[in-house]
Amino acid sequence: QVHLQESGPGLVKPSETLSLTCAVSGGSISSYYWSWIRQSPGKGLEWIGYIYYTGSSNYNPSLKSRATILVDTSKNQFSLKLTSVTAADTAVYYCARFNWDAGQYLDYGMDVWGQGTTVTVSS
Amino acid sequence: QSVLTQPPSVSGAPRQRVTISCSGSSFNIGNNAVNWYQQVPGKAPRLLIYYNDLLPSGVSDRFSGSKSGTSASLAISGLQSEDEADYYCAAWDESRNAVVFGGGTKVTVL
Repeated sequence: QVHLQESGPGLVKPSETLSLTCAVSGGSISSYYWSWIRQSPGKGLEWIGYIYYTGSSNYNPSLKSRATILVDTSKNQFSLKLTSVTAADTAVYYCARFNWDAGQYLDYGMDVWGQGTTVTVSS
Repeated sequence: QSVLTQPPSVSGAPRQRVTISCSGSSFNIGNNAVNWYQQVPGKAPRLLIYYNDLLPSGVSDRFSGSKSGTSASLAISGLQSEDEADYYCAAWDESRNAVVFGGGTKVTVL
């Protein structure tokens, strides 16, 4: 049973960089795509991007190139960095396994989720 | 404003059947699969339906999905109190090269 656990600072100052890590246990990070998703207070879900274990990645253009997702196969984890944060980046951040067929551009859904971690942007 | 459009709320009595609509465009639902997620307040989302109408292991067959053109629907039959949650549709969007979500629909069991 694959389990995901997010970790990182719960408070980030405006204009600084938000950094989160998602540890994958119960299975290998290899051969899968992995995503970050966030949910602002009282709002809906926003997909941030995905990374493949090879390092190939793709991001939501709504984040205007502020997001970077990296993978560390030796530690079986992947991470998110979001630069120049503002109060609008305050959210619960989730990591998830993304069942993506890159050859067919088919999204089979995100079937394993972490519990989420709350990040507040405030001075 | 979300790319996919869902009604903010639906409600029904126990044992009734309710449906949630999800409307999009040719860039997303029209040419790509739709997935549905259930989110109980305070919890992470859970994949409920994938590839339009397939149920992941462990999901009750009271849930069903369908797609036609640029719209999709989630149906919940035999409504139970445990079904009270927020439900989100999602699909790959070719114009954005990203996964897009609906705004979510809150299901209330009367």
